[in-house]
Amino acid sequence: KAGVTQTPRYLIKTRGQQVTLSCSPISGHRSVSWYQQTPGQGLQFLFEYFSETQRNKGNFPGRFSGRQFSNSRSEMNVSTLELGDSALYLCASSLGTAITGELFFGEGSRLTVL
Amino acid sequence: AQSVAQPEDQVNVAEGNPLTVKCTYSVSGNPYLFWYVQYPNRGLQFLLKYITGDNLVKGSYGFEAEFNKSQTSFHLKKPSALVSDSALYFCAVRDADNDMRFGAGTRLTVKP
Repeated sequence: KAGVTQTPRYLIKTRGQQVTLSCSPISGHRSVSWYQQTPGQGLQFLFEYFSETQRNKGNFPGRFSGRQFSNSRSEMNVSTLELGDSALYLCASSLGTAITGELFFGEGSRLTVL
Repeated sequence: AQSVAQPEDQVNVAEGNPLTVKCTYSVSGNPYLFWYVQYPNRGLQFLLKYITGDNLVKGSYGFEAEFNKSQTSFHLKKPSALVSDSALYFCAVRDADNDMRFGAGTRLTVKP
């Protein structure tokens, strides 16, 4: 069974640009969550989607947005990039809405903003 | 809102010795607790979870964790550490109304 797939794995952007990251969850998983990981802030929750609906949202500015498609694949977008957006962006999927279920993580998309 | 704390940034143990990675939590209702491990340049891997029942939970790679409600703790343990256990470990908590929140992580180094 294929795991969570994130693309691209690495990317370099300049300030002011925008970026779109993609996440394909494990087959059958309907919930997708996104996290930002930085050395200083650790893992910060961005948002969670289930059946194309955003269920929870973390404390990030409106430049960070996401969506989920009918096949459960998800994308997140960051507009007007800032140096501080440099981070590892992790996507995780789970079976459904059960809060007792563990998350399955992809290997992440490492974004560098110059 | 729920939160989790990992009081140690770094834990060093010798191979073959027992290891403990500490975690304390705060939630408004019943806690759902998780441990994850992250190897360099990889995503997080699930180790174990506590939902209800027995306070001692066994997980992958010989790890176990003990849930202590009175101390609001969920420490990760292993009787005999391996060099290959060296990694970054995250504790996470979730309650009925919220997303999963992670601690800052503890870097475990096991020396031969």
